[in-house]
Amino acid sequence: NAGVMQNPRHLVRRRGQEARLRCSPMKGHSHVYWYRQLPEEGLKFMVYLQKENIIDESGMPKERFSAEFPKEGPSILRIQQVVRGDSAAYFCASSVGTGGYGYTFGSGTRLTVV
Amino acid sequence: QQPVQSPQAVILREGEDAVINCSSSKALYSVHWYRQKHGEAPVFLMILLKGGEQKGHEKISASFNEKKQQSSLYLTASQLSYSGTYFCGTDGGTSYGKLTFGQGTILTVHP
Repeated sequence: NAGVMQNPRHLVRRRGQEARLRCSPMKGHSHVYWYRQLPEEGLKFMVYLQKENIIDESGMPKERFSAEFPKEGPSILRIQQVVRGDSAAYFCASSVGTGGYGYTFGSGTRLTVV
Repeated sequence: QQPVQSPQAVILREGEDAVINCSSSKALYSVHWYRQKHGEAPVFLMILLKGGEQKGHEKISASFNEKKQQSSLYLTASQLSYSGTYFCGTDGGTSYGKLTFGQGTILTVHP
């Protein structure tokens, strides 16, 4: 019973490149959430998705960031033209439903922009 | 609106107790508690739904006062393994699913 799988664990990108972060939710979980965490800080909400739908992207920067959760395959968080300020840990979480269900977090992707 | 946690940091010796508080300016449907160890993913501890229920998980329990929009996490007879950063997550009053997390409380347990 695999948990939430994120890959890669570590990603190094040069300024201006694209970063693609993948998240496969737990089996049976249809709700996916992406959070960003800067060193020694809390978890900042980015986006909430269900299969083929973005439910809430109020935490996503308007430019360069996008997310999807296709019918088949993992959820993808895409950052175009990365800048040094994008360096952070990106966590994906999934839940089986809303209104009383806890999140299961993946191990995160640590993005470093050089 | 981000919930506010207090204290920001706690240092304990093994066997001592601690309380971590979480306050929201908005009505809440539920409060979640998570623990994160350095360099690892947050781990779900428990969820409390409105109704003032109290939950327990071994020596870790929590309460939820929906009128005051507050929750407290109680750690009794602390163990070294309790060290980490504790986050509360709140839902802004709906069963919608999206959580906003507090800034975290760093708990350090010494032998």
